[in-house]
Amino acid sequence: SQELEQSPQSLIVQEGKNLTINCTSSKTLYGLYWYKQKYGEGLIFLMMLQKGGEEKSHEKITAKLDEKKQQSSLHITASQPSHAGIYLCGADGGGSNYKLTFGKGTLLTVNP
Amino acid sequence: EPEVTQTPSHQVTQMGQEVILRCVPISNHLYFYWYRQILGQKVEFLVSFYNNEISEKSEIFDDQFSVERPDGSNFTLKIRSTKLEDSAMYFCASSDGGWGLAGEEQYFGPGTRLTVT
Repeated sequence: SQELEQSPQSLIVQEGKNLTINCTSSKTLYGLYWYKQKYGEGLIFLMMLQKGGEEKSHEKITAKLDEKKQQSSLHITASQPSHAGIYLCGADGGGSNYKLTFGKGTLLTVNP
Repeated sequence: EPEVTQTPSHQVTQMGQEVILRCVPISNHLYFYWYRQILGQKVEFLVSFYNNEISEKSEIFDDQFSVERPDGSNFTLKIRSTKLEDSAMYFCASSDGGWGLAGEEQYFGPGTRLTVT
């Protein structure tokens, strides 16, 4: 079965700093999803990557899927307190049902 | 903007009771899912539903669980006889499976927190 390892597990940054979160898969990624979750709440869809080398941006968040399609990174530029939360990566293992396997998440704290 | 909705937001039930969690997926989506997240743990896949039948289920989804799409809009998860270990946040999700403009993007509802006492 597919396993996703996220690093770091938690991160504390000062407002305005850049940061990167990584997601490494034990198998080839057919679709890699990034979500944001506030503690005890739902998952907010951020981005989905499918092609090796693909990079997508939304506001100050950029996600990239490496060429070999086994790792993705999420980069936040000039972080703000509103970026605080748990970032989850989810992988589509290539089956026809698009079910997702998730990593444990990265807890981001942004200090003002 | 279309969104997945879930009711109730919080359900408290006694062990052994039946519960039904309800979801309204995004209207033009074709694939529906239930996931759960035990407090402090990973989000785990339970079941996927396509073309009015279960397309895949995890080992968590045993005979105590069932899903139904009773009409064109609702998607329900029933737990027949709840156990303490069923306490978790249950998320419904939907996707158009690549047939629509959104590709295979999967959108999640806000969740139902189930507490079994």
